[in-house]
Amino acid sequence: SQQGEEDPQALSIQEGENATMNCSYKTSINNLQWYRQNSGRGLVHLILIRSNEREKHSGRLRVTLDTSKKSSSLLITASRAADTASYFCATAAKVTFGTGTKLQVIP
Amino acid sequence: GAVVSQHPSWVICKSGTSVKIECRSLDFQATTMFWYRQFPKQSLMLMATSNEGSKATYEQGVEKDKFLINHASLTLSTLTVTSAHPEDSSFYICSARTGTDNQPQHFGDGTRLSIL
Repeated sequence: SQQGEEDPQALSIQEGENATMNCSYKTSINNLQWYRQNSGRGLVHLILIRSNEREKHSGRLRVTLDTSKKSSSLLITASRAADTASYFCATAAKVTFGTGTKLQVIP
Repeated sequence: GAVVSQHPSWVICKSGTSVKIECRSLDFQATTMFWYRQFPKQSLMLMATSNEGSKATYEQGVEKDKFLINHASLTLSTLTVTSAHPEDSSFYICSARTGTDNQPQHFGDGTRLSIL
């Protein structure tokens, strides 16, 4: 399977705190992508990190990739209530998704 | 940029009806489109992958005669749920990608299908 598996399954934090979620995968990859899904909506692409990159930033998002451990992490800094959503990682080619991390940011 | 429009947003119809869902890339050429199905509180399940001008590749367990996929142009793919039954009720989401798998997927907003 080329899907990633996210951890934790659910995370609840206060607004302003940082949120970290992890992703593990099993196969070799060209890149890894993180997506967000608000309830009842499609997914929004957040960030793509290539296999030769170790860290990437986009606004309040920071993604790391450790290909030796086949894992990635997504850090959201200074979280906001609007960040409440489910977050998924996916490996490329045939993009399949794990169960995601459901993040709740409490105002 | 990179907008994918999915239509309709929701549909309610009687058992036995066939339902067509459209997925359009509005500002880019979608060489590959994906169709997913999502049950409540679950992840997206990939149903099929389609490349423009080619037959769709279905995932194991997905009936190709039940879920007809057409990707006739670089901006449009359709999913037709034939002779729909209540168990086909679900949230269907399409996504589109241009170029190789080093490009991100862009998702439509999904179609909520309810079969009575």
